[in-house]
Amino acid sequence: GAGVSQSPSNKVTEKGKDVELRCDPISGHTALYWYRQSLGQGLEFLIYFQGNSAPDKSGLPSDRFSAERTGGSVSTLTIQRTQQEDSAVYLCASSLVLGAQYFGPGTRLTVL
Amino acid sequence: AQTVTQSQPEMSVQEAETVTLSCTYDTSENNYYLFWYKQPPSRQMILVIRQEAYKQQNATENRFSVNFQKAAKSFSLKISDSQLGDTAMYFCAYDTGNQFYFGTGTSLTVIP
Repeated sequence: GAGVSQSPSNKVTEKGKDVELRCDPISGHTALYWYRQSLGQGLEFLIYFQGNSAPDKSGLPSDRFSAERTGGSVSTLTIQRTQQEDSAVYLCASSLVLGAQYFGPGTRLTVL
Repeated sequence: AQTVTQSQPEMSVQEAETVTLSCTYDTSENNYYLFWYKQPPSRQMILVIRQEAYKQQNATENRFSVNFQKAAKSFSLKISDSQLGDTAMYFCAYDTGNQFYFGTGTSLTVIP
């Protein structure tokens, strides 16, 4: 595709449920990033994938958060046992090794 | 620590006037890229302009230009002839190839 896509665009879930957020990066981009953005706030780094290297998980806020990147392309961010404080916009971005990140439109997660 | 500082949380400018957003960063790397991103209320993060650290010439993209002072680790964004559509959050960022850092953002409002 022409850009980074994310699905779903909006997700409403109940506290305690698990959710999966999907990111399709730009074809050929080796790096993929997940960020979290609360209302009116900056970007909180979550996790970074680069090629076949082990991901940088240093930003994941708890062990309820995990992410996979299959075949060096599509990535899934999973949040287990969601809490109300997980409500935010989750942004995915992809890039070449050294260069600009291109962002998807984000997934707005609301935990009731 | 590698950080990006945007010291102006909020700014406003009259339509058609010029505004400058400041950004300073701290890195021990010699080769890196610098970026300004725009995030309008629609939340899509858009790349505005990029600068390679090894280039002395300041990058320009239409009404957007930067003042890159490598020794001072400063990377300000100038928006000329401000338009209502420039109203957004602006994030400064840099990429060393191993790490990507974002500032906390400056909220810019263009006043009609």
